[in-house]
Amino acid sequence: NAGVTQTPKFQVLKTGQSMTLQCAQDMNHEYMSWYRQDPGMGLRLIHYSVGAGITDQGEVPNGYNVSRSTTEDFPLRLLSAAPSQTSVYFCASTWSGTPYEQYFGPGTRLTVT
Amino acid sequence: GIQVEQSPPDLILQEGANSTLRCNFSDSVNNLQWFHQNPWGQLINLFYIPSGTKQNGRLSATTVATERYSLLYISSSQTTDSGVYFCAVAQKLVFGQGTRLTINP
Repeated sequence: NAGVTQTPKFQVLKTGQSMTLQCAQDMNHEYMSWYRQDPGMGLRLIHYSVGAGITDQGEVPNGYNVSRSTTEDFPLRLLSAAPSQTSVYFCASTWSGTPYEQYFGPGTRLTVT
Repeated sequence: GIQVEQSPPDLILQEGANSTLRCNFSDSVNNLQWFHQNPWGQLINLFYIPSGTKQNGRLSATTVATERYSLLYISSSQTTDSGVYFCAVAQKLVFGQGTRLTINP
């Protein structure tokens, strides 16, 4: 199993540009989520999904869109990047229902200039 | 929402020392994980421990859910233990601010 994979590893955007951060898992997990980590801080939840076709907002959803058309993939879209979105983005997955251990991808480092 | 506090924020030790990291949380939880973020930024799962005690080599963790805290013990520290240690609680994983551990040779 590859586990949770994220692409790209690094990205530089100009203000106003759009892009999609990719996340995929091969563990047949229903629950997937996106977090951002700002310098010196813990991770904060952006959006999550409990299964294909179902998404919901986390703590810091503004400026981000998600969709979940398959169990394996959970892309995160920035429609109009802003410098405040400069951060490291982590995707995670686990099984739904009773809380289980979550598994994290390697992260995407995004810089918006 | 639920609050998670970790202490100490920073810890500097010599190789071979033991350490205890603490995680306090403000509400009952049925999920608690400890992570190590290495200097390259990778998050490594250490323990899934909503209650009780677990051990893995030189690391062990104890969660007392009724008193809303968890402890991570690191014995005989090595330089590779350096990094930031996070605890996170609840299904949607609310993270603490982390403890930055530096092990000097």
